[in-house]
Amino acid sequence: SQQGEEDPQALSIQEGENATMNCSYKTSINNLQWYRQNSGRGLVHLILIRSNEREKHSGRLRVTLDTSKKSSSLLITASRAADTASYFCATDALGNNRLAFGKGNQVVVIP
Amino acid sequence: GAVVSQHPSWVICKSGTSVKIECRSLDFQATTMFWYRQFPKQSLMLMATSNEGSKATYEQGVEKDKFLINHASLTLSTLTVTSAHPEDSSFYICSASGTSGRSDTQYFGPGTRLTVL
Repeated sequence: SQQGEEDPQALSIQEGENATMNCSYKTSINNLQWYRQNSGRGLVHLILIRSNEREKHSGRLRVTLDTSKKSSSLLITASRAADTASYFCATDALGNNRLAFGKGNQVVVIP
Repeated sequence: GAVVSQHPSWVICKSGTSVKIECRSLDFQATTMFWYRQFPKQSLMLMATSNEGSKATYEQGVEKDKFLINHASLTLSTLTVTSAHPEDSSFYICSASGTSGRSDTQYFGPGTRLTVL
């Protein structure tokens, strides 16, 4: 079975607020990635965090990884209407560069 | 860089027909391509992995005779849904990894929406 599962969430926030979403997985990983998907479109790679890293930043994004709890979080600071999308985490738990995606978090940023 | 395209972007077909979807890496050589399907409001499920010049490796539960995958060149992989039925209606997304960027980074195509009547 594919892993990298998080509880599917629907998050609705006001522009300017921060959005936090979580991801949990079940087996050991080498890395975890976050992707964004706009409705009916392909995926955009946001950030990759390796198993020996605890936190990583990219612009308004902050990702944490807790391998002891097998969980990760994605924080989007100062959200914008353009951040409205679904966000997925994916791990390399399947091996051979194959990705296991989580259920996704739908974020709506209200202008 | 690292652009992946898919064609067609959407297709409607009658039940029983076959549909071919193309996935191309436009500006890099894709040694490995992956095919996913995504049902509405659900996550991506990996269907198969294809390496250039070799047979695709299918995930458990995916019928290889129904979903034919060919990766004949370093820039093109095709997925053919044979004898399509309404339950095959889905969003099919490919990704590619290879000579662009990190070897463990997949670059995703825009997806193909298949509707089987």
